Amino acid sequence: DTQMTQSPSTLSASVGDRVTITCRASQSISTWLAWYQQKPGKAPQLLIYKASRLENGVPSRFSGSGSGTEFTLTISRLQPDDFATYYCQQYDSPYSFGQGTKLEIK
Amino acid sequence: QVQLVQSGAEMKKPGSSVKVSCTASGGTFSTYTINWVRQAPGQGLEWIGGIIPTYGAPKTAQKFQGRVTITADESTSTVSMELSRLRSDDTAVYYCGRTIQAYYFYPMDVWGQGTTVTVSS
Repeated sequence: DTQMTQSPSTLSASVGDRVTITCRASQSISTWLAWYQQKPGKAPQLLIYKASRLENGVPSRFSGSGSGTEFTLTISRLQPDDFATYYCQQYDSPYSFGQGTKLEIK
Repeated sequence: QVQLVQSGAEMKKPGSSVKVSCTASGGTFSTYTINWVRQAPGQGLEWIGGIIPTYGAPKTAQKFQGRVTITADESTSTVSMELSRLRSDDTAVYYCGRTIQAYYFYPMDVWGQGTTVTVSS
């Protein structure tokens, strides 16, 4: 099974900051990687798939990059609505999730 | 617009089984993968398994093999997930999610509202 490891587990930042979350796969998954945002009590929301493709309706301040085993999610200018938990997911074989990164207000 | 509606909260005893359903409306059902993902209190997301209704054969995470049954009923556009031999650490919110593209295990862009399953003696 492919293991997904996210870092950091918690990230403190301010509105307007640029932040980056990293996700590493235990084996190559090409670009079969998605990112989700989840807020308390809600289902996850898809942000990015195929490592860098923005889901319809997702603001352009979100971007993804990477291939193989190393991936990043970048939020260019944090907005108040962005404080949430973020998960990466590989869909190469067939699915597994990272443990999550909680983005907190500094 | 596709919507997924899940069955209601369940309270179960250890050793029993639970069956959670997910009914789709407003879009194509048979060719899109419906997956089950759970989230224990304060924990992350965990994939349980999924099914493409028109194919019928589900895929399940190794951890749940032998304990989970996932079925699809095309006549009612419903996918069900039954988890047996429940333990206290099966207490979680269970979500169903539909993939962004048909015929493959792709990411999920439509989700049910979640079903809370509590396992307690």
